[in-house]
This record gives sequence, structure tokens and C-alpha cells, in this order.
Amino acid sequence: EVQLLESGGGLVQPGGSLRLSCTASGFIFSSHAVTWVRQAPGKGLEWVSAITGGGGTTYYADSVKGRFTISRDNSKNTVSLVINSLRVEDTALYYCAKVTASTVDYWGQGTLVTVSS
Amino acid sequence: QSALTQPASVSGSPGQSITFSCSGTSSDVGTYNLVSWYQHHPGKAPKLMIYEGSKRPSGVSNRFSGSKSGNTASLTISGLQAEDEADYYCCSYAGANTWVFGGGTKVTVL
Repeated sequence: EVQLLESGGGLVQPGGSLRLSCTASGFIFSSHAVTWVRQAPGKGLEWVSAITGGGGTTYYADSVKGRFTISRDNSKNTVSLVINSLRVEDTALYYCAKVTASTVDYWGQGTLVTVSS
Repeated sequence: QSALTQPASVSGSPGQSITFSCSGTSSDVGTYNLVSWYQHHPGKAPKLMIYEGSKRPSGVSNRFSGSKSGNTASLTISGLQAEDEADYYCCSYAGANTWVFGGGTKVTVL
């Protein structure tokens, strides 16, 4: 059974940093890209970032470029998302999800990031 | 990277069919046959219902069907059931390992 479990969310002040983690199981981890998608309160889903299976190439939405860094450790089946210079508008539920043939197929349940002073 | 456009809400009675749209552009929906649809119950992980425009993953009811015409994709739920009440999001591949999502449609079963 495919499972993805996010962690690392919390309450952070504007300008702060957080490291989100996604631990996966149930599939050949290194063979799949992984992506992060967020949902702000009362809003729709927003694609944030992705990383290829080997970890060699990363992608970011324009809204987070320069502040977010995605990485992965295939020996530990984990993907991380480091968020710097947090803004109030980064408040959201952050999901990690597995990608198969350019389709986002399996999702975790998300980790909540709240940016507030 | 503009969001896809979905109606905010759609409703129907049990047993009815409903169809709602997902409008994109020639840079996403219109170019790639990679539109997917997700069912999302609050507090749970989104569930893939349709991929590549019209394909159903194993285990998804055949009451769910997808289609695409030009820059617009559609999801149809036939034989509406109470358990179908949820938020539904469309998503299109937009090239170079990037994706764009819709704002979501809240389906209410009357």
C-alpha cells in the first residue's frame, strides 16, 4: 500500500523558516518524482514544487522560487521542503504526493503551516 | 501558472447525473492529455478519480467519467450518491514537471 506521511508543520513567525518532511513507503521510491502541493485556508490547491526520482532536477512555482528548496534522500525514502522567509500568505496545509507518468496519483494527509506573529 | 477555472459549487439529487467543467489554456489543458480529477473530503488525503483525461484508477467507481474538449475538461458523476459529496479538484500537467490546479468544486447531494 502506497503511503506518504508529512511532518514538520507548525506555527512560525513571519520571516522564519521551517523544514517539512515527507516519508514514503509502498513503492519504489527512487523511481518516482515527488511533488508538494499546498492549500491555503478556504482556497484551492496550489502546486508548489517537485523533484525528480533521482533528485537531480527540481522545479518551483514562481510564487515560491528563491524561498523554497526541495530535496530528497532516497536511502531514507524521504523528501524535504525547506521554506525560508515565511510570509503570512504561506499559511496552508502542505501535501506531498507521488507522481507517476506526469500524474499526481497518491497523496499524504498534509501538514499544517501557520505563519503569524 | 494561472489556476484552472472550476465552478464553485454543483448540486444534485441522489440518482441524478452532474457534470462540471475545468477551464484551462492552450498551455496546459489544451496541450496535454494529462488532466486528472481528485475527490477531497476535508481532513483526508485527496483521492485520484480520473487521470489522463478519462481513465479511472483501479477501484474507482465507473459512475465517474472524464472528458476533454479543447481547453476545457469535464467530470461527470452518474447515479449520484450521498458518499459523493466532497470537494473535487481538477489538475493539468503544464510541462517541465509543473502542474496547475483548479479552485475546486463543492459537490452537494441534496
